[in-house]
Amino acid sequence: AQSVAQPEDQVNVAEGNPLTVKCTYSVSGNPYLFWYVQYPNRGLQFLLKYITGDNLVKGSYGFEAEFNKSQTSFHLKKPSALVSDSALYFCAVRGLTYSGAGSYQLTFGKGTKLSVIP
Amino acid sequence: GAVVSQHPSRVICKSGTSVKIECRSLDFQATTMFWYRQFPKQSLMLMATSNEGSKATYEQGVEKDKFLINHASLTLSTLTVTSAHPEDSSFYICSARDRRLKTYNEQFFGPGTRLTVL
Repeated sequence: AQSVAQPEDQVNVAEGNPLTVKCTYSVSGNPYLFWYVQYPNRGLQFLLKYITGDNLVKGSYGFEAEFNKSQTSFHLKKPSALVSDSALYFCAVRGLTYSGAGSYQLTFGKGTKLSVIP
Repeated sequence: GAVVSQHPSRVICKSGTSVKIECRSLDFQATTMFWYRQFPKQSLMLMATSNEGSKATYEQGVEKDKFLINHASLTLSTLTVTSAHPEDSSFYICSARDRRLKTYNEQFFGPGTRLTVL
């Protein structure tokens, strides 16, 4: 079965500094990886995904993620953090369970709370 | 594009009553919708997957008679929590997959529904 690990419950970073939110995965076959952000009492917003191709994926709001196959990691990064980036971040991997109509389930990590300090 | 709405955003009900939560894809047709449950400071746990016109597929440990899911059209899925108890209090989030997209399981999430059972 596939799994996602986000080793840090919380990451604190000063505004303007680079940020990294870590994610490692375990899945059979080629991984399809996603990052989502969740603001308080809100649903998840899609940030970016890796399917194939360039290991550095660029996404919304200036975020990017680096896929590293040998380390089975997909860390989320941003060169300069903003206070408005403070939120809960989830890494997810597409599972092998076919849900029908071309869909597969997503397995989520437990989330990392990012706090950007002014 | 790809907007998913949920209604209501917040509901408080008495123990023993039933509550219906709607999930709508506003500008696309969703072949598949997923229902998640999220406890405070925890990740999303997939409850069930529904394909339009088919019975929902429930995850292990989720009572299908308690959490009734109906996906009668390509833009609407409903989750009914029957005979709700305080332990059903949670944040319920739906997601939908656009039938037009050939991408690998990109899901669009609703804003969530906060259920509080007194």
